[in-house]
Amino acid sequence: KAGVTQTPRYLIKTRGQQVTLSCSPISGHRSVSWYQQTPGQGLQFLFEYFSETQRNKGNFPGRFSGRQFSNSRSEMNVSTLELGDSALYLCASSSPGQGPDTQYFGPGTRLTVL
Amino acid sequence: GNSVTQMEGPVTLSEEAFLTINCTYTATGYPSLFWYVQYPGEGLQLLLKATKADDKGSNKGFEATYRKETTSFHLEKGSVQVSDSAVYFCALSDLAGGFKTIFGAGTRLFVKA
Repeated sequence: KAGVTQTPRYLIKTRGQQVTLSCSPISGHRSVSWYQQTPGQGLQFLFEYFSETQRNKGNFPGRFSGRQFSNSRSEMNVSTLELGDSALYLCASSSPGQGPDTQYFGPGTRLTVL
Repeated sequence: GNSVTQMEGPVTLSEEAFLTINCTYTATGYPSLFWYVQYPGEGLQLLLKATKADDKGSNKGFEATYRKETTSFHLEKGSVQVSDSAVYFCALSDLAGGFKTIFGAGTRLFVKA
């Protein structure tokens, strides 16, 4: 099975712009989670989607949003970018089920905001 | 709420040394516990997991035992290799936490030849 893929791998934007990141989960996985990873804050949970519904959301401002499509692919959007949004954004998918499952991570999208 | 605390790094060891990375957790429910590893330039990958008290997870020579009485899940390896150099994350997940995985801050391991 192909792993989790994320596009693009690298992105450079300027303050005030918006950005959309994409994540394709492992085939058959219906849960997709997004994380922000920075040296100072570590791994922080953004949100989790299951069957196109957001089930949980972390403590991030409304500038961060996401969605999931019927094929389980997911996108996250950050509007009005700030310098502090520079980070590695990781997507993870997990197998169907209601319990806490193992997460399979993509390689991440490295976002740099200038 | 749920939280994970792991020892700060970096940890520097010589090849073939014994490794311990401490991890303790706080959870309202009955969590599953995980260790993930991140190699340079890559995403995280599962190293091992345990889903109930006294379970031992193991993989690639690494082990960790779910200790409910001490709320701990310490990672150990008897003999590290240079290729084990990476960042290690302890994590927990449970339904009471609302379908999200909580990660520790990560511990960077350097292994010298």
